Amino acid sequence: TQLLEQSPQFLSIQEGENLTVYCNSSSVFSSLQWYRQEPGEGPVLLVTVVTGGEVKKLKRLTFQFGDARKDSSLHITAAQPGDTGLYLCAGAALNRDDKIIFGKGTRLHILP
Amino acid sequence: NAGVTQTPKFQVLKTGQSMTLQCAQDMNHNSMYWYRQDPGMGLRLIYYSASEGTTDKGEVPNGYNVSRLNKREFSLRLESAAPSQTSVYFCASMRGYAFGTEAFFGQGTRLTVV
Repeated sequence: TQLLEQSPQFLSIQEGENLTVYCNSSSVFSSLQWYRQEPGEGPVLLVTVVTGGEVKKLKRLTFQFGDARKDSSLHITAAQPGDTGLYLCAGAALNRDDKIIFGKGTRLHILP
Repeated sequence: NAGVTQTPKFQVLKTGQSMTLQCAQDMNHNSMYWYRQDPGMGLRLIYYSASEGTTDKGEVPNGYNVSRLNKREFSLRLESAAPSQTSVYFCASMRGYAFGTEAFFGQGTRLTVV
């Protein structure tokens, strides 16, 4: 079973601080996605990383795929209250079937 | 530009009642999934349909049935609701491409079984 472990589970920081959340596995993934879920809504896709070592930026969010394609990180610079939410990573199985698995998420709270 | 539409948004059932959760997508995707989300448990896969006419069990299928009515619609049925099925249910439509799969979610159905 491919398992995606996310850390930390919870994070509460002040507005303006930087933070990094992690998504780790012992398995190799063909790609990895990050989603953000706000209260009362479904998860929304933020980014997909495909190549080992790839770095993608989305405004103040920086996503990195590990060289071995077993892990990923999300770094937020100068966090804002609007960044509050549940961040989920998800991986597509190497055999390229449709099934993806989700981590349990990091619940982020940015204090104004 | 609706994406994935789920109905109803909220529902309260008594133990033993039945209901069907509806899901429709307008993105012409082949795959559709049903998840439940519980505190501390993450998203758990109930059933999925890789294409029209096929359905398969996921991680937690007991107590549920599904129907892939056509390419657009994938419904989830609770035949005899139990309090353990109190949860938030999400339908997702999956876009598959060369290197992986991306999920597009509905807004969820918040179900309480009393």
